Amino acid sequence: ETGVTQSPTHLIKTRGQQVTLRCSSQSGHNTVSWYQQALGQGPQFIFQYYREEENGRGNFPPRFSGLQFPNYSSELNVNALELDDSALYLCASSLGASGSVTDTQYFGPGTRLTVL
Amino acid sequence: AQSVAQPEDQVNVAEGNPLTVKCTYSVSGNPYLFWYVQYPNRGLQFLLKYITGDNLVKGSYGFEAEFNKSQTSFHLKKPSALVSDSALYFCAVRDGQQAGTALIFGKGTTLSVSS
Repeated sequence: ETGVTQSPTHLIKTRGQQVTLRCSSQSGHNTVSWYQQALGQGPQFIFQYYREEENGRGNFPPRFSGLQFPNYSSELNVNALELDDSALYLCASSLGASGSVTDTQYFGPGTRLTVL
Repeated sequence: AQSVAQPEDQVNVAEGNPLTVKCTYSVSGNPYLFWYVQYPNRGLQFLLKYITGDNLVKGSYGFEAEFNKSQTSFHLKKPSALVSDSALYFCAVRDGQQAGTALIFGKGTTLSVSS
């Protein structure tokens, strides 16, 4: 069974640029969630995708957007990067119907984004 | 609003001694509670979860957690700590009455086990 994978591992961008982060969900999982973990903080929910549609969103501006593909892999796109966007971005996959509160989310290793 | 508090930034324990990492929560509906561990430069690894039923939940690597509804707590425990348990531990909650399945995380507790 393949776990959650993310690419790239590290990324350095400058303010104002755009970035795309990628995630492959665990085999058989149809739901992908993205989290932002700032230094010294717990992860914060950005949004979730279930069967290619966004079905939940946290308190993040519209310049944070995403996609989920038919194979359930996902992308997180961030436009107009700001210094405060520097963080570890975590992807998590889970198996279950939309809105299933009992599902366990399994996390990937994360992408470390640095904005200069 | 849902929230999780981990009142200790750091917990220090000697190898072989029992350990406890504290977590309290606030939700409007039924709580669904999770513990994760994070090693340096790694993602989060799932340890255990409470959904319903027995208040004592057993998880991976010898960890267990006790759900206490009256105290709104979900403390993580292990009878005998190992040096390899040293890591960052996160408690998380989902509210059964809230739409969506986002996990709300605490700020984390660093566990340091000395030999």
